[in-house]
Amino acid sequence: QLVVTQSPSASASLGASVKLTCTLTSGPSDYAIAWHRQRPGMGPRFLMKVYSDGSHDRGVGIPHRFSGSSSGAERYLTISNLQSEDEADYYCQTWGPDIQVFGGGTKLTVL
Amino acid sequence: QVQLVQSGSELKKPGASVRISCKASGYMFTTYAMNWVRQAPGQGLEWMGWINTNTGNPTYAQGFSGRFVFSLDTSVRTAYLQIRSLKTEDTAVYYCARVADGWNYFDHWGQGALVTVSS
Repeated sequence: QLVVTQSPSASASLGASVKLTCTLTSGPSDYAIAWHRQRPGMGPRFLMKVYSDGSHDRGVGIPHRFSGSSSGAERYLTISNLQSEDEADYYCQTWGPDIQVFGGGTKLTVL
Repeated sequence: QVQLVQSGSELKKPGASVRISCKASGYMFTTYAMNWVRQAPGQGLEWMGWINTNTGNPTYAQGFSGRFVFSLDTSVRTAYLQIRSLKTEDTAVYYCARVADGWNYFDHWGQGALVTVSS
């Protein structure tokens, strides 16, 4: 069984940085994950893929202030220089043989 | 550029059926798997399953077999989600999403289609 876990909420101030966590709770701890952002009232958008070695591949048009990293079974999304438009729900996703799994999402509030 | 454009909102009565479309453009349709994702009001993303756009073979996630049907019309580059015998708990936004190369993350999403089931 494949399970990924996220904290339900996070907050940080305008212009600051925030680090969101996605934990591979069940299943192989070396899986890659993807981060998606969902702004209020809109569909999700792919942000990046984060590998177990900490490297990441951003989606087209995603600014460099979005970065990914890893430590063990944890995968991170760091957003620097927070903007008001970063206030959104952030979902991590992983996948295995014939299965796709989402975390419960983290609601990010920009103060 | 890659685009997935879904059909509009639907209001249906319990017991009815609904079909949502997802029209793809900007890439070779039969090369990338298409997935369906449900988001109930105020809830997170729930994977419903996927359809092989090359063979038309669908795979349904646990809890989505029986009333849910994935299909394709490759001549118009469109994937469909049909939901039969609608229940009020089917009220949700339904997204189509393309898988990146092979079996991988979702790199493009449709804008979503709201289905409201109410008597």
